Amino acid sequence: GAGVSQTPSNKVTEKGKYVELRCDPISGHTALYWYRQSLGQGPEFLIYFQGTGAADDSGLPNDRFFAVRPEGSVSTLKIQRTERGDSAVYLCASSLTSATYNEQFFGPGTRLTVL
Amino acid sequence: AQSVAQPEDQVNVAEGNPLTVKCTYSVSGNPYLFWYVQYPNRGLQFLLKYITGDNLVKGSYGFEAEFNKSQTSFHLKKPSALVSDSALYFCAVSRGMDSSYKLIFGSGTRLLVRP
Repeated sequence: GAGVSQTPSNKVTEKGKYVELRCDPISGHTALYWYRQSLGQGPEFLIYFQGTGAADDSGLPNDRFFAVRPEGSVSTLKIQRTERGDSAVYLCASSLTSATYNEQFFGPGTRLTVL
Repeated sequence: AQSVAQPEDQVNVAEGNPLTVKCTYSVSGNPYLFWYVQYPNRGLQFLLKYITGDNLVKGSYGFEAEFNKSQTSFHLKKPSALVSDSALYFCAVSRGMDSSYKLIFGSGTRLLVRP
């Protein structure tokens, strides 16, 4: 596909469970970003990868959140011991490089609901 | 710290009339500014960006935006609105003294174009 894809599109889980959210960026894009969008708000930055390494994880809210990108392409956002406050839409984006003049292309998001 | 303000939660306009969606920003250094549109159950779609040069930038679907450094604004405009333009619009800024790849989004403005 030509765009950023994210799976699953919806995830419902129970408080305390572990979840994984997957992002498949546009082929050839070296930079990958995760954002979180709560209802009625704009997306908020979580983490940024340049290649395989997390260059900036300053937006991760706490140590229950972790993300990987082992081969420099697909990324997985992992949330341990989920809480109801984690409910949001998790957006992934990619760009050709991390240069700030490159626009970021967003996936459709994963809607996470923690019961 | 960087920030973006979208002062209007909703903008209503009649089809065929011009539309403006307002955005102001605060950033240290020269900003890179972006507009994205979000349709229901879909990811953010890039509309246009200002990096440098001409203050008036043109983007997708007939939209344009004007960068005004003295007023720190980047308002989105379209000469003639379509019903299909109804969506949620987000302004975003990057660069400045902070981590420049990180997009800082406004809270969004819902545009409603009535027939």
